[in-house]
Amino acid sequence: ILNVEQSPQSLHVQEGDSTNFTCSFPSSNFYALHWYRWETAKSPEALFVMTLNGDEKKKGRISATLNTKEGYSYLYIKGSQPEDSATYLCAFIILTGGGNKLTFGTGTQLKVEL
Amino acid sequence: ETGVTQTPRHLVMGMTNKKSLKCEQHLGHNAMYWYKQSAKKPLELMFVYNFKEQTENNSVPSRFSPECPNSSHLFLHLHTLQPEDSALYLCASSQETTGTGNTEAFFGQGTRLTVV
Repeated sequence: ILNVEQSPQSLHVQEGDSTNFTCSFPSSNFYALHWYRWETAKSPEALFVMTLNGDEKKKGRISATLNTKEGYSYLYIKGSQPEDSATYLCAFIILTGGGNKLTFGTGTQLKVEL
Repeated sequence: ETGVTQTPRHLVMGMTNKKSLKCEQHLGHNAMYWYKQSAKKPLELMFVYNFKEQTENNSVPSRFSPECPNSSHLFLHLHTLQPEDSALYLCASSQETTGTGNTEAFFGQGTRLTVV
């Protein structure tokens, strides 16, 4: 059984604050780590796909880092805006015979208040 | 619009009913997935299909029966479900030709299923 843990479970910040979340995953047999953003009543949407130790990826005000040796990834949001309110999911990848098996964490629910 | 469409969006069914969930992707992907999300739990993989062949059945009870007639369509047939099967069922697709895990999944909006 693989455990992918995310913390915190929920977070309330003020507009303009910077924030970060953690995703912890098994460090052995690493293939890839995905971050998804899931807004209420919408589909989960991929933010980052990370495969190499030390990877840093950025999309606008959101960035992520990856440490495969110690089994964690951080997601950072700079200058949070109300539209950033969503659940942020990370998923650890196990390769199956065909197709990827994503094991998801429970997510961090972010609420950005004015 | 993610290119993955699920119908219906909401479904209420009795424990003796038979119903089907439908998923269609317009992205040319070769892998499709069914996920289940119950309250307060992570997204849980149910089935994986790659080039129409089932490659993963994550110990799902037989009252859930998947069908993948072609690479663009995926069904989940439901029969004699229990109230605890009430959940959000999400379909996803991805392009998995190299098996490296480095391609993202595209999700539908899900079917909210209630079993009464």
